[in-house]
Amino acid sequence: AQSVTQPDIHITVSEGASLELRCNYSYGATPYLFWYVQSPGQGLQLLLKYFSGDTLVQGIKGFEAEFKRSQSSFNLRKPSVHWSDAAEYFCAVGTDSGNTPLVFGKGTRLSVIA
Amino acid sequence: KAGVTQTPRYLIKTRGQQVTLSCSPISGHRSVSWYQQTPGQGLQFLFEYFSETQRNKGNFPGRFSGRQFSNSRSEMNVSTLELGDSALYLCASSLMAGYGYTFGSGTRLTVV
Repeated sequence: AQSVTQPDIHITVSEGASLELRCNYSYGATPYLFWYVQSPGQGLQLLLKYFSGDTLVQGIKGFEAEFKRSQSSFNLRKPSVHWSDAAEYFCAVGTDSGNTPLVFGKGTRLSVIA
Repeated sequence: KAGVTQTPRYLIKTRGQQVTLSCSPISGHRSVSWYQQTPGQGLQFLFEYFSETQRNKGNFPGRFSGRQFSNSRSEMNVSTLELGDSALYLCASSLMAGYGYTFGSGTRLTVV
């Protein structure tokens, strides 16, 4: 079975600074990888996904993520954080069979300070 | 196109009661998955329905059940509510589970 670890429970960054959120997965075959963002009291919104191909994927709101098979990682990055990026971020892993549910990490809460 | 609609948004129930939550997926999506989200446990998978059949089930007691109708709308039911059932229940629709979901805004259930 697949699993996801997000090592950082809470990260605080200054507005305008760069951001990197870490995600490590465990899955024997090629994973399908996702990043979602959740604002308080809301559902999750898909930021980006990786199925295959180019290991650097671009998403919405200026986010990108890089798949590194050798490190079993799929870290999320943004070059310049805006105050509106404050939210909870979830990494998730699926499988290429398409019929198994996504497994989510515990999430990383991002705070943005002026 | 319309997103995933969950009703109601908020519910307050008493211990021992039962509750039914509803989810209308995106048109054309045949897979509906349900997750329970709590601060301590994060997002935990409840079950997934595909074309009216339960295809996957998480590790929850039998008090948690669900169904899917021919129009892909789904309901989940929790019987004999416990305080620990207080959570945000999220519905997610997709063409195929594992290919990524579109989530609804969730139903916030509070058991008192």
